Formats: sequence, C-alpha cells, structure tokens
Amino acid sequence: KQEVTQIPAALSVPEGENLVLNCSFTDSAIYNLQWFRQDPGKGLTSLLLIQSSQREQTSGRLNASLDKSSGRSTLYIAASQPGDSATYLCAPCQYGNNRLAFGKGNQVVVIP
Amino acid sequence: GAVVSQHPSWVICKSGTSVKIECRSLDFQATTMFWYRQFPKQSLMLMATSNEGSKATYEQGVEKDKFLINHASLTLSTLTVTSAHPEDSSFYICSTLPGTKNIQYFGAGTRLSVL
Repeated sequence: KQEVTQIPAALSVPEGENLVLNCSFTDSAIYNLQWFRQDPGKGLTSLLLIQSSQREQTSGRLNASLDKSSGRSTLYIAASQPGDSATYLCAPCQYGNNRLAFGKGNQVVVIP
Repeated sequence: GAVVSQHPSWVICKSGTSVKIECRSLDFQATTMFWYRQFPKQSLMLMATSNEGSKATYEQGVEKDKFLINHASLTLSTLTVTSAHPEDSSFYICSTLPGTKNIQYFGAGTRLSVL
C-alpha cells in the first residue's frame, strides 16, 4: 500500500519568501504525481502533474520536481503571496489501477 | 482541464436518513470514477472505485451496504450514504478518470453533516 508523507506539516512564512514543500512516497511504481491545492472546506485544485518519465514541471511561480526512484517530489513556490495560503497535497498515481494516494498535506500560511 | 460537477455541495440531515451525492463528468466520458472521504485535518482516503456498468470496488473497511455506489452511465456516478449517523459526517469528494489519460479530475466536494 502506497504511503505518502509530506514535510513540513505546517509552515508560516513572510510574504516574498520562497516555499519548499517536500513529499515522499513508498512505492515508485507510479504513472504520474500530482500536486493539488486545497483551501479550507473546499475541493481540490490541480496545480501540476508530472509524468513518471519527467524530472520536473513548471507553471508560473510553481515548480515541481520528481525523483521517482527515490520516491520523492518537491514543490517550489517562488516569491510567496498571501493568496498562496492553503494546504498543498501530493498524490502519486499508482501504476496499474490509477489510484491516487494522498498525504496529509503541507499547510502553508503566508504572512503579509 | 475537465469539468466535474458534484452535487450537493453541502447537506445537513437527521440521523437515520439517506443522502445521495451525484458526480457528473460534463465534458468527457468517464469509465472510472473514484469516491474519497476526508475527515477534518486528515488525508483524503479512497472509499471505492466505480466502473460504469459493473459493481464498485470498495476499499478495506468501507461498508458496501452503507455506501451504495451506482455508475449507471459514462457521465454519472452516485454515492448514497444509507441510514446516516453522526460519525458519517465528513467531506466526500469524487474524481473522474477519462479513458484516454491517467489524470483524475475532481469535483468540488460535498460536506455532509449528520445531526
């Protein structure tokens, strides 16, 4: 069974700082890995998807890296803004059955 | 990205009643849909995998007679929480999987509060 761990569980940073969110997973047999954003009481917003053959993916201020063999992914958010405050979820997609496994998330607060 | 509509977004009900949640794929046919549950401060946990035209596959520990899943068409799956109790209060969210891609698209979720 895939186990996903996200570190740190929570962090607060002043506006403008760069964010580094870490995700590790136990089973490297994955199709892809997605990073999501979840605001309190809301659903999921897909941020980035990295295919298993890719090393990184970028969208605006967001950059996600993937080291499949070691079971790690990192989400970088440059020049953080108060609007980036949310919980960020990492979800590897299991090879064969397309199941997503979720960690508990990185809860981010960006202080104006 | 694909559009997935989940309804209702919020429901409050009395203990013992049944609640139906709908998940619709609006712009593609979804052969597979997934249902997740999220308790406060916890991860999303997969409850079941729903395949069109066949019985759902439930995860260990999820009661199939309590959480009825129907996937009668390629664009609609429903989750019915039967005889709901306060411990069933949670955030339920669905996702759809197009036949052509290994990418899941999520609904906005349903917050269920059982009194």
